[in-house]
Amino acid sequence: EVVMTQSPATLSVSPGERATLSCRASQNINGNLAWYHHKPGQAPRLLISGASTRASGIPARFSVSGSGTEFTLTISSLQSEDFAIYYCQQYNNWPPTFGQGTKVEIK
Amino acid sequence: QVQLQESGPGLVKPSDTLSLTCTVSGASINGYYWSWIRQPPGKGLEWIGYVYYSGSTHYNPSLASRVTISVDTSKNQFSLKLSSVTAADTAVYYCGRGSPTPGNWGQGTLVTVSS
Repeated sequence: EVVMTQSPATLSVSPGERATLSCRASQNINGNLAWYHHKPGQAPRLLISGASTRASGIPARFSVSGSGTEFTLTISSLQSEDFAIYYCQQYNNWPPTFGQGTKVEIK
Repeated sequence: QVQLQESGPGLVKPSDTLSLTCTVSGASINGYYWSWIRQPPGKGLEWIGYVYYSGSTHYNPSLASRVTISVDTSKNQFSLKLSSVTAADTAVYYCGRGSPTPGNWGQGTLVTVSS
């Protein structure tokens, strides 16, 4: 099973600032990576899949970089609705596996 | 707009079978993969498995001996059964449209395993 490790566990950012979240896979996942946004009590939301393809309705302030085993999600200018937990997921190997999440909180 | 809603008992006894249903509105079950994912309290997300609208399935090997996922196209629903549950199966259970990257999720339902 591919182990996904996210860092940091918590990120404190002011509205309007940039947030950078990291995700590391225990082996090469060939860019088969997705990111989700989740506010507890709500449905998780797919942000990006295929390492860099934004899902429908996801604004351009969300972008992903990286390859192999190291990936980064960047939110260029945090809006109020962006404060949430972010999960990365690999789907190169079965079963798909998720990271433990990064909580983005208001500084 | 696609909406998914999980339903089922919130409390299940140890060794019993957990049964949940996901009702889909705003879209047809036909033509898609449908997934179940869970999150134990304080832990990360865990993939359970998926069913294709035709009925074919694929399960997480760690749960495969206890899991059955099925689809009912006439009711626009799909279901999860997890047998021989223990406290370790206590989790929020989510259903989703699509696999392996669900584009739509339900809000989740908490299932507690306790006597």
